[in-house]
Amino acid sequence: AQTVTQSQPEMSVQEAETVTLSCTYDTSESDYYLFWYKQPPSRQMILVIRQEAYKQQNATENRFSVNFQKAAKSFSLKISDSQLGDAAMYFCAYRSGSQGGSEKLVFGKGTKLTVNP
Amino acid sequence: GAGVSQSPSNKVTEKGKDVELRCDPISGHTALYWYRQSLGQGLEFLIYFQGNSAPDKSGLPSDRFSAERTGGSVSTLTIQRTQQEDSAVYLCASSLDPGGADTQYFGPGTRLTVL
Repeated sequence: AQTVTQSQPEMSVQEAETVTLSCTYDTSESDYYLFWYKQPPSRQMILVIRQEAYKQQNATENRFSVNFQKAAKSFSLKISDSQLGDAAMYFCAYRSGSQGGSEKLVFGKGTKLTVNP
Repeated sequence: GAGVSQSPSNKVTEKGKDVELRCDPISGHTALYWYRQSLGQGLEFLIYFQGNSAPDKSGLPSDRFSAERTGGSVSTLTIQRTQQEDSAVYLCASSLDPGGADTQYFGPGTRLTVL
């Protein structure tokens, strides 16, 4: 079974600074997808960024980018120019891309990000 | 357009009672998922519906949990004889086409408290 590990239960960053959230995963599959979701206090999970495992290029979405290291099974999220609105729980998630594989998301335990003004 | 909606937002019940949680997916989305978010277990997959296919029930923790999806749209998650360990936030998500890197869009969840 696939597992996702987020080793940082909490992180903090100063406004306008850069922070990196860590995520590692374990899988024997070669085809899969990785996601970072943000969950503010409103509870609504919001997709931040996603990465297809077959793509070597790291995904970027404005101030958010990932460092995808397939061999190391690592998928970290970098937030640049942090804003107060970035404060939330961040979840790393895995989904199988194999034929007949499960469509479910497998989540890490999350990292609580605090942004200090 | 409207996102995924869930009702009720909060539900308090007594141990042993049955509860029903509702999910309205985004219109046109063929796939629907239920997850449970609890302090001790994090986010766990419960069940997945895709079109007319048999649902993937592999995440349901016990036979007290069941779900149905009527007309390929609205879904109801039912918990019978609730226990205190069922207290959690129940999240519903939908996606347009579950293949590839398709995004799952989440609702705001239902917070269930079992006294």
